[in-house]
Amino acid sequence: DGGITQSPKYLFRKEGQNVTLSCEQNLNHDAMYWYRQDPGQGLRLIYYSQIVNDFQKGDIAEGYSVSREKKESFPLTVTSAQKNPTAFYLCASRRGYTGNTIYFGEGSWLTVV
Amino acid sequence: KNEVEQSPQNLTAQEGEFITINCSYSVGISALHWLQQHPGGGIVSLFMLSSGKKKHGRLIATINIQEKHSSLHITASHPRDSAVYICAVRSGETSGSRLTFGEGTQLTVNP
Repeated sequence: DGGITQSPKYLFRKEGQNVTLSCEQNLNHDAMYWYRQDPGQGLRLIYYSQIVNDFQKGDIAEGYSVSREKKESFPLTVTSAQKNPTAFYLCASRRGYTGNTIYFGEGSWLTVV
Repeated sequence: KNEVEQSPQNLTAQEGEFITINCSYSVGISALHWLQQHPGGGIVSLFMLSSGKKKHGRLIATINIQEKHSSLHITASHPRDSAVYICAVRSGETSGSRLTFGEGTQLTVNP
């Protein structure tokens, strides 16, 4: 079955540590996105990538980094520079210019302890 | 003021009731999405609209481009419809064009 797989589902991190969230899709989608969701707020865009080896900052990119070495993979690293990393993170993908439906992963809950 | 406003924020209904969730936006859009977020956090895309009306099972979504307004209707609601419903608008055609999300409507359907 085609879809988006995020891992881990739940992750605890000590302050000062970097952590990487995995996002893999087998939908052959060109575009991939990372969003952050906080209680009482809509999803906010962290980074997105339209094509392999290219990515763009979203609205809240500070303290995060990404890579897009393969079409199917778009990992997100939450660095120690991110001041308030505890949140729910969602990965999404979408076909390129001709398609509009967006598909989401199941999300990853990150808690800093 | 948010670019995408949803109402109500919370909605409680009895099983069988007809439900309407509203979404108003203030920007020009190329498409509007209705999403359903389950209690575990996963999100499913319900509809993508650029005009008119779409129906899928008990769900109906409408959009009025001139009024910048969309509604999601659920007929014969059921407890399994309990979820957060999110409206999101896209302002461009490219894969990099942004989605702007509403804050969501928490729907609870009681048996």
